[in-house]
Amino acid sequence: TQLLEQSPQFLSIQEGENLTVYCNSSSVFSSLQWYRQEPGEGPVLLVTVVTGGEVKKLKRLTFQFGDARKDSSLHITAAQPGDTGLYLCAGIFTSGTYKYIFGTGTRLKVLA
Amino acid sequence: NAGVMQNPRHLVRRRGQEARLRCSPMKGHSHVYWYRQLPEEGLKFMVYLQKENIIDESGMPKERFSAEFPKEGPSILRIQQVVRGDSAAYFCASSRKSTSPTEYNEQFFGPGTRLTVL
Repeated sequence: TQLLEQSPQFLSIQEGENLTVYCNSSSVFSSLQWYRQEPGEGPVLLVTVVTGGEVKKLKRLTFQFGDARKDSSLHITAAQPGDTGLYLCAGIFTSGTYKYIFGTGTRLKVLA
Repeated sequence: NAGVMQNPRHLVRRRGQEARLRCSPMKGHSHVYWYRQLPEEGLKFMVYLQKENIIDESGMPKERFSAEFPKEGPSILRIQQVVRGDSAAYFCASSRKSTSPTEYNEQFFGPGTRLTVL
């Protein structure tokens, strides 16, 4: 059974602080995605990483895919209240059919 | 270009009733995925469909749950004889047809249907 563990599960920080969210698995993924979900809405894709060791930046967000393509991290610099939400990683398998396995989620709250 | 549409947004059923959840994919998308999300948890894959074809239903409970994606009309997730444990948010996502075996296609999610079983 493929499993994606995210840590921490909950995070409450002050505006301006930095934070890192981790996504770990024992499985190797073809690619990995990060989503943000706000209450009452569906997840919205932030980024897709495909190559082992790849780093992508999206304004204050930095995403990294592990060399072995089993893990990933999301780093937010100078967090803002607008960053509050549920962050989900999703690993993608492309052997046979496309299968997306979602992580357990990290609920972030940024206090003003 | 309208996004993925799901209806109803909220559905209340009593134990033993049937629930029908609808999903209209984005224009041009022929792949549909259904997920279930319990409060404070991530999304659990249920089923992956193409038009008139179930590709992967490994996440679907064996009983009471079924899904279809007909040639015309929306994809339907059907839950028969609902129980309290079925209460959850059900999300649908759609994507385009892949052009190669190694290419993934971005999923776009709908707003979800929140099912409450009394």
